[in-house]
Amino acid sequence: EDKVVQSPLSLVVHEGDTVTLNCSYEVTNFRSLLWYKQEKKAPTFLFMLTSSGIEKKSGRLSSILDKKELFSILNITATQTGDSAVYLCAVVGTASKLTFGTGTRLQVTL
Amino acid sequence: NAGVMQNPRHLVRRRGQEARLRCSPMKGHSHVYWYRQLPEEGLKFMVYLQKENIIDESGMPKERFSAEFPKEGPSILRIQQVVRGDSAAYFCASSPSQQGVNEKLFFGSGTQLSVL
Repeated sequence: EDKVVQSPLSLVVHEGDTVTLNCSYEVTNFRSLLWYKQEKKAPTFLFMLTSSGIEKKSGRLSSILDKKELFSILNITATQTGDSAVYLCAVVGTASKLTFGTGTRLQVTL
Repeated sequence: NAGVMQNPRHLVRRRGQEARLRCSPMKGHSHVYWYRQLPEEGLKFMVYLQKENIIDESGMPKERFSAEFPKEGPSILRIQQVVRGDSAAYFCASSPSQQGVNEKLFFGSGTQLSVL
């Protein structure tokens, strides 16, 4: 059974800090790893990673995948209060469905 | 292009009643996935459907739960004889093809089911 573990479970930082969120996984026939941001409603897509060592970047957010060590990180620099959310990591394997971790709850304070 | 539409947003049922949750995928998407989220937990896969076919229902409870995606109309997740433990947020997601290397899922805003 595919498995995704995220850490930390929750995190409180001050505005302007840089945070790193971790995601480790076990999956049969890895296809892709995805990061989503969930505020109060629908998870919204952030990144899809398929290859090791290639950083994906979008503004202050970036992510990278290590397929040898089976993990990914999501970095957020210069955090803002609007970054407060639950960040979900998910993998796709043979079963062609997303398996999610429990998420990291990030709170950014003033 | 409208996103994934789910209704109702909130549904309250008494124990023993039936709950019907609807999901209209994004235009052009023929693959639908249902997920359940309990408080402080991640999204748990329930079922994957294409038009008129159930592809993977490995995450569905064996009893009381069923899903369909007819040729015309929305996908329906049906829960019969609801119990308090069914209270959760139910999310629908769609993609234009089978989830794989190049496809990401687009999620609806979810239906919050509360069982009294």
